[in-house]
Amino acid sequence: KNEVEQSPQNLTAQEGEFITINCSYSVGISALHWLQQHPGGGIVSLFMLSSGKKKHGRLIATINIQEKHSSLHITASHPRDSAVYICAAGGGADGLTFGKGTHLIIQP
Amino acid sequence: KAGVTQTPRYLIKTRGQQVTLSCSPISGHRSVSWYQQTPGQGLQFLFEYFSETQRNKGNFPGRFSGRQFSNSRSEMNVSTLELGDSALYLCASSWGTGVGLDYGYTFGSGTRLTVV
Repeated sequence: KNEVEQSPQNLTAQEGEFITINCSYSVGISALHWLQQHPGGGIVSLFMLSSGKKKHGRLIATINIQEKHSSLHITASHPRDSAVYICAAGGGADGLTFGKGTHLIIQP
Repeated sequence: KAGVTQTPRYLIKTRGQQVTLSCSPISGHRSVSWYQQTPGQGLQFLFEYFSETQRNKGNFPGRFSGRQFSNSRSEMNVSTLELGDSALYLCASSWGTGVGLDYGYTFGSGTRLTVV
């Protein structure tokens, strides 16, 4: 059974700061997902990674398959980035195994 | 394009009752997976359906069941509701084909179930 650990659990930063959220998993996977959840519950898929690095706007996600580790970076953070960020491993028939989430607050 | 639609959005039920939740996936997506989110346990995998077949089930009691129809719409059912079943239930759809391929997910807005 895959275990997914995320850090930090809570993060408060000032607008404009560079943000890093880390995720480690215990078992080899086909894909690692980064999700964003706003108050009210809706989840948006930000990235799906199987290797290397992906970038979308101010968001960058990287994965190191050998070390079973992934990071989500936010450059030039903004208050609208405030949300819960969740990493999830696996997929397909096995479903996703989720980390506990990182509660991010960006203060103006 | 239409997203993943979950109905109803909110539901209040009494202990011992049963409930059925519905999920309509994105057109063309054949895989639907269900998740339970609670403050204590976070997000947990319930089950996954592909082409009307349940391919896997998470560690939940038999009171939790589901099915998928030929149009890929899925329902989940919880019988004999307990207070601990109060949660946000999310479904997600994806293409879901192939072993070893990457699966992209689109999540519904969820059904918030309160058991009183």
